[in-house]
Amino acid sequence: TQLLEQSPQFLSIQEGENLTVYCNSSSVFSSLQWYRQEPGEGPVLLVTVVTGGEVKKLKRLTFQFGDARKDSSLHITAAQPGDTGLYLCAGSMEYGNKLVFGAGTILRVKS
Amino acid sequence: SAVISQKPSRDICQRGTSLTIQCQVDSQVTMMFWYRQQPGQSLTLIATANQGSEATYESGFVIDKFPISRPNLTFSTLTVSNLSPEDSSIYLCSVEDRETAVHYEQYFGPGTRLTVT
Repeated sequence: TQLLEQSPQFLSIQEGENLTVYCNSSSVFSSLQWYRQEPGEGPVLLVTVVTGGEVKKLKRLTFQFGDARKDSSLHITAAQPGDTGLYLCAGSMEYGNKLVFGAGTILRVKS
Repeated sequence: SAVISQKPSRDICQRGTSLTIQCQVDSQVTMMFWYRQQPGQSLTLIATANQGSEATYESGFVIDKFPISRPNLTFSTLTVSNLSPEDSSIYLCSVEDRETAVHYEQYFGPGTRLTVT
């Protein structure tokens, strides 16, 4: 059973559409990271959220951490083909030293 | 954030042989991690490598198959031994950037794509 449930697994949309990716858990995380990975490269850290209810924006990307620090979402506005990639959420447990990864969301934005 | 390089970037190996992957960081780090990833899928942690101590392996991974060295604070190697086609995967190293006791992030190398024939 995945500790961090990430959905959807796959998303294929047209350029200009909006989308949301979700990460949910029954566990509390001290922080949660979102990564984006392109083929042939390692995951690149997009953002870290640490406070319950926190919202961070990175251009057209909006990240939210749930009030109880058990869930997070990534919303992309007006998706571009350059947003195509694998999106991964990863949570750090309090006093732990390992990240728990979601299963990943493959996003394909068609022009 | 740390800059991480890996060598080789890709390799094709025959079954029964071994491949050693190098991970170099541009700054001193305490914790380094080795992951395995199938293309388009999530990451599976193989082991955590601290400088000066034995690596800590996750369930399903053993030292005989995945020996790890961590000779200093900027370098680590992962060897995948006695290769079989099931070992074909992407291998990634990462380092921890710990801001506080409870808040940390990981930064990843570009990965090594291994194909076993």
